[in-house]
Amino acid sequence: AQKVTQAQTEISVVEKEDVTLDCVYETRDTTYYLFWYKQPPSGELVFLIRRNSFDEQNEISGRYSWNFQKSTSSFNFTITASQVVDSAVYFCALRSGGSYIPTFGRGTSLIVHP
Amino acid sequence: KAGVTQTPRYLIKTRGQQVTLSCSPISGHRSVSWYQQTPGQGLQFLFEYFSETQRNKGNFPGRFSGRQFSNSRSEMNVSTLELGDSALYLCASSFQGAPPDTQYFGPGTRLTVL
Repeated sequence: AQKVTQAQTEISVVEKEDVTLDCVYETRDTTYYLFWYKQPPSGELVFLIRRNSFDEQNEISGRYSWNFQKSTSSFNFTITASQVVDSAVYFCALRSGGSYIPTFGRGTSLIVHP
Repeated sequence: KAGVTQTPRYLIKTRGQQVTLSCSPISGHRSVSWYQQTPGQGLQFLFEYFSETQRNKGNFPGRFSGRQFSNSRSEMNVSTLELGDSALYLCASSFQGAPPDTQYFGPGTRLTVL
C-alpha cells in the first residue's frame, strides 16, 4: 500500500521568510515517483516537480528547492524568500511501480502575510 | 499547448437531480482521471479512462459514472445527487496514465448541491 503524509496542515509566515513543507511517503516498491503540486485559490492543481526513486539529487528552481532523502522516505519542499503569491495549498503525491492511481497527501496550506 | 479544460466551472443543483461534467485533456493525452476534492476527505480518486475504456475505479457508489470519447474528451455523470456530493471535481490528463507520466489538472468544476 502507498501512503503520503503531510503532517503540517497549515503554515503561516511573513513575506521573505523561508519555509519548508514536509512530505513523508511509504511504499514497498523500489521504483516510484514523487510529485509536488500547488493549488492556488482558483482551484487548479499546478504541477511543480516530479522526482523518480533512483535520483536523489536535490533540485532547485528559482526560489523553490526540493530535498529527496530515501533514508528517511521524505521529499521536502522549501520556498526561499516567500512571497504573497506563494499562498496556496501544496500537495505531495506518490506513484509506485505500475500503479495508475497516484496517492496524494492531505495538503499543506501555506499563508504568506505581507 | 492548451491545458486541460473543464466545463462548466460552477454548477448549482438540487438533491435528486443529475449532473454531467466535461473534461478536455491536453492534446495528445489519452488518459483522463477524475478526482473529488472536499475539505473533509481531501483528494479522492474517482476513475480513470484510457482509450475509451475505464481502466481504474475508486471507491465511489455507482451513482458516479463516466465515459471517454474517441477524441479523449471525457464526461463524468452523477445521478441522484446528494448534499455530500458538493465538492470540487478535478480532471487530470496524462499521456498514457502509467508512471512516470505526470498528471496535469484542469481548473475543476465546483458543484454545489442544495
